[in-house]
Amino acid sequence: EVQLVQSGAEVKKPGESLKISCQGFGYSFTSYWIGWVRQMPGKGLEWMGIIYPGDSDTRYSPSFQGQVTISADKSITTAYLQWSSLKASDTAMYYCARLDGGPFDPWGQGTLVTVSS
Amino acid sequence: EIVLTQSPGTLSLSPGERATLSCRASQSVSSSYLAWYQQKPGQAPRLFIYAASSRAAGIPDRFSGSGSGTDFTLTISRLEPEDFAVYYCQRYGSSLNTFGQGTKLEIK
Repeated sequence: EVQLVQSGAEVKKPGESLKISCQGFGYSFTSYWIGWVRQMPGKGLEWMGIIYPGDSDTRYSPSFQGQVTISADKSITTAYLQWSSLKASDTAMYYCARLDGGPFDPWGQGTLVTVSS
Repeated sequence: EIVLTQSPGTLSLSPGERATLSCRASQSVSSSYLAWYQQKPGQAPRLFIYAASSRAAGIPDRFSGSGSGTDFTLTISRLEPEDFAVYYCQRYGSSLNTFGQGTKLEIK
């Protein structure tokens, strides 16, 4: 079974750094793009960026370019989303998903990030 | 950048009724790159339709997708209680993965 398992919820203060993870199971991790999606409280889905773990080719949505960094470690079948300096407006649920020939399928269970002083 | 606009924002219907959800693109979208997702409260989104009209694995045949160019539709022929959720359309394809703002399908 193809599965993406994300790291647990985080509570951080403004200005702190954070790296959340998404581990893939049950498929060839290096052969599929992984995407990250933000969902702010009570809001819709926003595509942040994608990475191809095979060669670490990374593409960002213009809205998130320079705001986050997407990376991957294929040796442990894990993709990452990281911030160098969190803001309160980064409070959201973050999902990873495998790009199955284009559409996002399946999705991870989500990681809730709360940024509050 | 392509913008996807979904309508209506909220759709109130009863079980057994037919639901029609719309997704309009600001520029023409290849039907090969249009998907629909369902999201229930507290859950991750789930792929329902891809390539505009192909059902994902395990999706009941009461769900159907159609459309081309700038106008796409998700139709649920007879609503079941478990179908009430938020539905998002998405234009996908390497660097272009825009989502619509969602339609909430609620029980009337």
